[in-house]
Amino acid sequence: LAKTTQPISMDSYEGQEVNITCSHNNIATNDYITWYQQFPSQGPRFIIQGYKTKVTNEVASLFIPADRKSSTLSLPRVSLSDTAVYYCLVEQSSGSARQLTFGSGTQLTVLP
Amino acid sequence: DVKVTQSSRYLVKRTGEKVFLECVQDMDHENMFWYRQDPGLGLRLIYFSYDVKMKEKGDIPEGYSVSREKKERFSLILESASTNQTSMYLCASQEATNYGYTFGSGTRLTVV
Repeated sequence: LAKTTQPISMDSYEGQEVNITCSHNNIATNDYITWYQQFPSQGPRFIIQGYKTKVTNEVASLFIPADRKSSTLSLPRVSLSDTAVYYCLVEQSSGSARQLTFGSGTQLTVLP
Repeated sequence: DVKVTQSSRYLVKRTGEKVFLECVQDMDHENMFWYRQDPGLGLRLIYFSYDVKMKEKGDIPEGYSVSREKKERFSLILESASTNQTSMYLCASQEATNYGYTFGSGTRLTVV
């Protein structure tokens, strides 16, 4: 199983770009990388998903190097409302079984 | 907008009771999941289902069972609740493998 590792916490200031890196050394060929955001007392919310190189949507970018052993979530110009826990997920499929591993999560705190 | 609905936001049950946690999705998704979330431990997968009447064990299935009689409904059952099952329970659905998850708002279960 691809275990994921993320920093436990990060601090940033409003208006800065924030980059959160996740390592997944055992990622397999067919695996995708997905990032989620979670606020207290709510379920996680999908942010972005990618397989390789770079993916961008209206809220974030995801950078995946050629070896795919890590990925970086980039949040441009964060605001106080971006304070949340961010999870990296690698989804693995093996026949009919799906082994799903959430990272430990990174608590991002955005300061004024 | 897609929705995953968990029947209760808060539940208090006694040790030894049989507990049912219900989850309904309105998106015709194939896959459904039950996670529990505890401070310091992140999200841990209990069970998942990729089709009606199909189920697979996740990382921590002990003390739990599930039922999926209809595509839209996935129930988590605690056969005999214990205090160490006090937790936040999160249900999620997924259109197919390698698509993002949609999570419910969670059920905070307290077993006394």
